Amino acid sequence: DAGVIQSPRHEVTEMGQEVTLRCKPISGHNSLFWYRQTMMRGLELLIYFNNNVPIDDSGMPEDRFSAKMPNASFSTLKIQPSEPRDSAVYFCASSLRVMTDTQYFGPGTRLTVL
Amino acid sequence: GDSVTQMEGPVTLSEEACLTINCTYTATGYPSLFWYVQYPGEGLQLLLKATKADDKGSNKGFEATYRKETTSFHLEKGSVQVSDSAVYFCALLPIGANNLFFGTGTRLTVIP
Repeated sequence: DAGVIQSPRHEVTEMGQEVTLRCKPISGHNSLFWYRQTMMRGLELLIYFNNNVPIDDSGMPEDRFSAKMPNASFSTLKIQPSEPRDSAVYFCASSLRVMTDTQYFGPGTRLTVL
Repeated sequence: GDSVTQMEGPVTLSEEACLTINCTYTATGYPSLFWYVQYPGEGLQLLLKATKADDKGSNKGFEATYRKETTSFHLEKGSVQVSDSAVYFCALLPIGANNLFFGTGTRLTVIP
């Protein structure tokens, strides 16, 4: 298996623009997670899905952030409008079952908002 | 609430030195415990895990023992290599939960 795939790997945009990050989980995995990593806050869980349904979005920082999972093989994290403080590395991870204990991470998307 | 407290870095060691990175946790019951490693420019990878008290997780020469009495899961390696340079994260999966709680990460640099 190719592992968790994220795109783009790097994104540079200007403040106010819409940003869409994409994730393809490992085939057969039922849970998907979006994380944000910054120097100041470390690794933060933003939202996670189980069987394509959002289960906990309490980590989503503001209404500017939204995430969708239209099917088992694709998820997006959208920021609209983007702000410089959104600059971070965004990771997607997937796991096999609802209560499984191993998450597999993608390589991340490094977002820079100017 | 559930949380993980991890030794702050950065840690710099010479090759073949011994490594210990401390990790303690707060949680009810018997959570699962993990160490993840993040190499430069990459995502996190599971290094080892333990799911019950006194379990020892091991991988690539690294070990960690689940100590319920001290609520700890310290990461150890007897002889580090330059290729071990990375950021190490301790993580906790509470009982009945599906999301991990991560520590702040400890950056390890091994110099030749």
